[in-house]
Parts: sequence; structure tokens; C-alpha cells
Amino acid sequence: GAVVSQHPSWVICKSGTSVKIECRSLDFQATTMFWYRQFPKQSLMLMATSNEGSKATYEQGVEKDKFLINHASLTLSTLTVTSAHPEDSSFYICSAGTSDPYEQYFGPGTRLTVT
Amino acid sequence: QKEVEQNSGPLSVPEGAIASLNCTYSDRVSQSFFWYRQYSGKSPELIMSIYSNGDKEDGRFTAQLNKASQYVSLLIRDSQPSDSATYLCAVNINFNKFYFGSGTKLNVKP
Repeated sequence: GAVVSQHPSWVICKSGTSVKIECRSLDFQATTMFWYRQFPKQSLMLMATSNEGSKATYEQGVEKDKFLINHASLTLSTLTVTSAHPEDSSFYICSAGTSDPYEQYFGPGTRLTVT
Repeated sequence: QKEVEQNSGPLSVPEGAIASLNCTYSDRVSQSFFWYRQYSGKSPELIMSIYSNGDKEDGRFTAQLNKASQYVSLLIRDSQPSDSATYLCAVNINFNKFYFGSGTKLNVKP
């Protein structure tokens, strides 16, 4: 299957700072990438969908000024959590979509802890 | 109504038994269907995809799709304790629109 990497795998930051998470498709070009958040024992929650070269589409309730998404190339998307607060602590997972067939492959996730 | 519905479980089966996981979806134009496995603390892993009515087998896994009933299932034969995980059903409606169910937790008891 297709391989998606994510970096860092975990990060601890202080409240008020910003954190950038990278998502890369290693062996395919991903026209579309997705960003999810998952709290312990809860379902995946889609935050936004990004297409290469265009602005991300955010799901209802997700603050686009707080969660900045950049999809600069067909293999790289980044999520920046700005002015992080303890309630932003979560497991952030990216995924990349292949075309024909349309399938979605997940990165290993980034565990963010805001102190 | 949610786009994709799954029983949250937990579903408990003894080792060696067949585990049957079910999923229904609401949008009739859904095109592709997927099963992901998620271990606790890990990200989801794609284990099966199915695109047309009928059965698709891959090792111990069989995915079944019935578009008329808007129903997709996953059978796991000879269940092992290592199969214990949450199984997510996902549906692709068009191009980059995917919907995930909330997952069914499977416990395989030795």
C-alpha cells in the first residue's frame, strides 16, 4: 500500500506557542490530503481537506486561523497549530488520497501535548 | 442521520471464531467502501477496499458489499487476539469526500 509519513510523532509545547506538523506521501503523489484529530477513546474527527495549490476546506467548527494548513506540493502538507492551548492536546493524524482508485492512507499520527 | 453507521461494540469472539462486522451507509451514490483497523494509540490502517457488489477475499478477511441494501460487512476468519482493535468502515462518495463510521471495537479472547 501507499506510505504516508508524519513528523514529529510527538511534541510537547508550552501554551501560547505554535507547532507545525508535516505530512508526506512517500511513494505517490497525493492531490488531496486530509487532517484529522482524535481524542482518547473517541472517533476520528475530520478537520480539513486540502488540495495541492489551493486553500484548505475546513469542517464546520474548526477555526481556520488557528489550524493553518498548507499543501504546497503533491507530496507535502503541513498543519500549524497556532497559539496552542491545553485543550488542543490531541492525536493529530493526516492522510493522503490516491486517485483511481480513490483510497485514503493514513500517516502514523502526531501526539500533541500542550502544557 | 449519519452517513456511515456502525455498532460501537464491543464485539467479543473467542479465538478461532469468525468475527462479523457490519456497516450501513446512507448515500446511494457512494462509490467505494473501505475497512480500516485501528489499534489503540495508533492511526488507522487500510485493510480492505471493495468497489462492486459481492464478496472480496484477502487472506482471513472477506469484505461483502450489497449496494441495494446499502450495507457493507467485514468477516474475519480464524480470529486471533492480535485482531483485537477498532474497525472503521469508510465510504467514498465522490473523489475526495470520505465518510467514516465511529468504529466497532473487536475483542478476540484467547
